[in-house]
Amino acid sequence: GAVVSQHPSRVICKSGTSVKIECRSLDFQATTMFWYRQFPKKSLMLMATSNEGSKATYEQGVEKDKFLINHASLTLSTLTVTSAHPEDSSFYICSAPPSGTSGHTQYFGPGTRLTVL
Amino acid sequence: GENVEQHPSTLSVQEGDSAVIKCTYSDSASNYFPWYKQELGKGPQLIIDIRSNVGEKKDQRIAVTLNKTAKHFSLHITETQPEDSAVYFCAASKEGGGADGLTFGKGTHLIIQP
Repeated sequence: GAVVSQHPSRVICKSGTSVKIECRSLDFQATTMFWYRQFPKKSLMLMATSNEGSKATYEQGVEKDKFLINHASLTLSTLTVTSAHPEDSSFYICSAPPSGTSGHTQYFGPGTRLTVL
Repeated sequence: GENVEQHPSTLSVQEGDSAVIKCTYSDSASNYFPWYKQELGKGPQLIIDIRSNVGEKKDQRIAVTLNKTAKHFSLHITETQPEDSAVYFCAASKEGGGADGLTFGKGTHLIIQP
């Protein structure tokens, strides 16, 4: 099956700093990737859609200046949490549907646990 | 937008018995319904999916049924095993044109009692 990786798997940072999370599709290309956020014992909430070569589209209520997304290649999307605060602590997960397939089967990365002190 | 309801939130069954998790969706335009299994601290893993042109799909011990008229779909796991213990999420999206993000249900914590 298709493999999606994320790096880092876990990060702890101080309040006010920025953190970058990478999402890579290892064995397929993805013109679109998605970023989700998951609080403990809660469901996944879509934050934004990352589009290769163009601007990301954000869900209602998600600050685009807070969560910067760059999709520079067909296998890499990055999410940067700027000026992080404790309330940004969460599990961030990316997903990608393989390009060129007829459906929208999405494969998820293993997630990144962000803790802001 | 789409709204997905999932029940129950917790389900405990004896090993070997069957487990059923149900979801309803609100947007009649949704036509793709995947199910994911998530273990603690890990990303969701796709276990089965169904599209609206199909009423039922089966893969070994796992099956999914879809009632498009009633806008609900269900996951059935037979002969449950301890390794089936996890949180299960249903989701919905619209296929066609560009890819859409998934709208998830709130999850079901499945506990298999030995």
